[in-house]
Amino acid sequence: QVQLVESGGGLVKPGGSLRLSCAASGFKFSDYFMAWVRQAPGKRLEWVSYVDGSGGSIYYGDSVKGRVTISRDNAKSSLFLQMNSLRDEDTAVYYCARPNQVAGLYHGFDVWGQGTTVTVSS
Amino acid sequence: EVVVTQSPDTLSVSPGERATLSCRASQSVHSDLAWYQKKPGQSPRLLIFGASTRATGVPARFSGRGSGTEFTLTISSLQSEDFGVYYCQQYFGWPPAWTFGQGTVVEIK
Repeated sequence: QVQLVESGGGLVKPGGSLRLSCAASGFKFSDYFMAWVRQAPGKRLEWVSYVDGSGGSIYYGDSVKGRVTISRDNAKSSLFLQMNSLRDEDTAVYYCARPNQVAGLYHGFDVWGQGTTVTVSS
Repeated sequence: EVVVTQSPDTLSVSPGERATLSCRASQSVHSDLAWYQKKPGQSPRLLIFGASTRATGVPARFSGRGSGTEFTLTISSLQSEDFGVYYCQQYFGWPPAWTFGQGTVVEIK
């Protein structure tokens, strides 16, 4: 079945780095753009980053721009998020998410991973 | 940035009753709005997209309406499994600058 499984979260000190991974299965990974979405404790969901199916078009949310890098490996059906210069406010559950594509158009996210927790604390 | 505001923050509803949740966007997002249900320890579940289209497998008691800046999600007859936090998300425009509302907690009375 269609599945996304994140890994790589953990406890890191402010200023540190972490690399999140998302393993996709059950669908043709390269046919979909992919995204990372996070949720800090008690906060709303926040879109973090987007990468198109080829990896050639990338966008970031303002709160992480310049500090994170999204990438993908279509041969391994995997999505990554390299996070640098981490701050307390980056503490969150990070989800990878697949778009709900209808007639080639994006309409929300219909497949989500279980999430991986990133805690930034000294 | 399009700011998305939901109301109320918390809704207590008895089983079998109707629940109506609201979502307002700070500028028009046309019909590019989705609703999600999230339960503790689980990932969000897509319920509605395009403001009014139910996602695959979503029961008919869930319905969405609206366009522009005002949207509603209605649960026509609340079931015990419908508790959780409901989020709306706007996805209008390009490049992506997708934003979510702060959520409405639906409690079973």
